[in-house]
Amino acid sequence: DSGVTQTPKHLITATGQRVTLRCSPRSGDLSVYWYQQSLDQGLQFLIQYYNGEERAKGNILERFSAQQFPDLHSELNLSSLELGDSALYFCASSVVGLAADTQYFGPGTRLTVL
Amino acid sequence: TQLLEQSPQFLSIQEGENLTVYCNSSSVFSSLQWYRQEPGEGPVLLVTVVTGGEVKKLKRLTFQFGDARKDSSLHITAAQPGDTGLYLCAGAGLSGNTGKLIFGQGTTLQVKP
Repeated sequence: DSGVTQTPKHLITATGQRVTLRCSPRSGDLSVYWYQQSLDQGLQFLIQYYNGEERAKGNILERFSAQQFPDLHSELNLSSLELGDSALYFCASSVVGLAADTQYFGPGTRLTVL
Repeated sequence: TQLLEQSPQFLSIQEGENLTVYCNSSSVFSSLQWYRQEPGEGPVLLVTVVTGGEVKKLKRLTFQFGDARKDSSLHITAAQPGDTGLYLCAGAGLSGNTGKLIFGQGTTLQVKP
């Protein structure tokens, strides 16, 4: 158990819909990260937050948005869902969000878009 | 184009054999991390290598960071069925001093008893 929690574990929805994935970081960690893992693209970095502020951005689609709240939990919002958005979405957390940090990954949310 | 090329993508071997997984890039990373991922779970960090030429050992696993900090390898000695899983390399430090990780495509290892 990494100490990072993600909900829900599974999500099945239809194209065009909007979903919200939730992540609670390890106690004491100030930075959270979101990654997408699909069969064809592998594990791809989406976005990083540190203490409520966006710190780094990857190839995150405009239909996707995220935020980190004052209690440090984070949400990833995916809208106008397409079939290709079906993937595993992982949240990770680390202490200060720098390159030397160890990132601890949550168990992931499996999103299926039908 | 993958920034981190990992090979091989699939490996099926017998218990007791040795194997090496490679992670190559044309970019210089401040550190290179190796993760192992089980089905239905998130990646778990095995090791971080930071210094060019660095070698780290974790029981039967040996990790090496290239002198130029562009490549890395994972060598497993006398593989066991418990080593079965997805092995991922990830580079840090390409986007300034953020935590952004660039992952390789992964190596799926199957060790047969």
